[in-house]
Amino acid sequence: AQSVTQLGSHVSVSEGALVLLRCNYSSSVPPYLFWYVQYPNQGLQLLLKYTTGATLVKGINGFEAEFKKSETSFHLTKPSAHMSDAAEYFCAVSDNTDKLIFGTGTRLQVFP
Amino acid sequence: DAGVTQSPTHLIKTRGQQVTLRCSPKSGHDTVSWYQQALGQGPQFIFQYYEEEERQRGNFPDRFSGHQFPNYSSELNVNALLLGDSALYLCASSLGGLRTEAFFGQGTRLTVV
Repeated sequence: AQSVTQLGSHVSVSEGALVLLRCNYSSSVPPYLFWYVQYPNQGLQLLLKYTTGATLVKGINGFEAEFKKSETSFHLTKPSAHMSDAAEYFCAVSDNTDKLIFGTGTRLQVFP
Repeated sequence: DAGVTQSPTHLIKTRGQQVTLRCSPKSGHDTVSWYQQALGQGPQFIFQYYEEEERQRGNFPDRFSGHQFPNYSSELNVNALLLGDSALYLCASSLGGLRTEAFFGQGTRLTVV
């Protein structure tokens, strides 16, 4: 069975600081991993995904994530936070289908 | 490209009633999945439709049912509504339905009173 754990339900950073959102997964098959962002009262937007190949994945809005199989992690980073990055972020894993298993989310706050 | 569209955007129902939510997939997509997102939680998979059939289902009771039409649009029906059914219902569409990228709609906010 697949599962996702997001460490830290709330993360606060200053504008211009490094953003690090943590995600650990459990999967019985080679996983596909995703990060989605959700702005208030909106649906989910895909930031980036890992399927196979290169373990460092670059996404939209300057975000990237690194797949580390030995640590079963897929942490999301951004070198410099912007006020517009404030949102809810969800890590998700899929197995042999495209059913997504989501974590509980991390709310990112960015202070000026 | 209109993307994934859901209707209505908001809905208030009384406990015990029935509700139907609608989803039109992104152009060219043939697979529709439904998710329930309770307040402060991550989305939970309800079921997925492909070629007008339910292909897989999450851990939801039979009160939750669905349908996919020949044009790939889909409906989610919930019978005998409970207060706990209050949530944001998200529709996602994809192509082929096997480990391809899912595009989400804006969701329908259902409130059961």
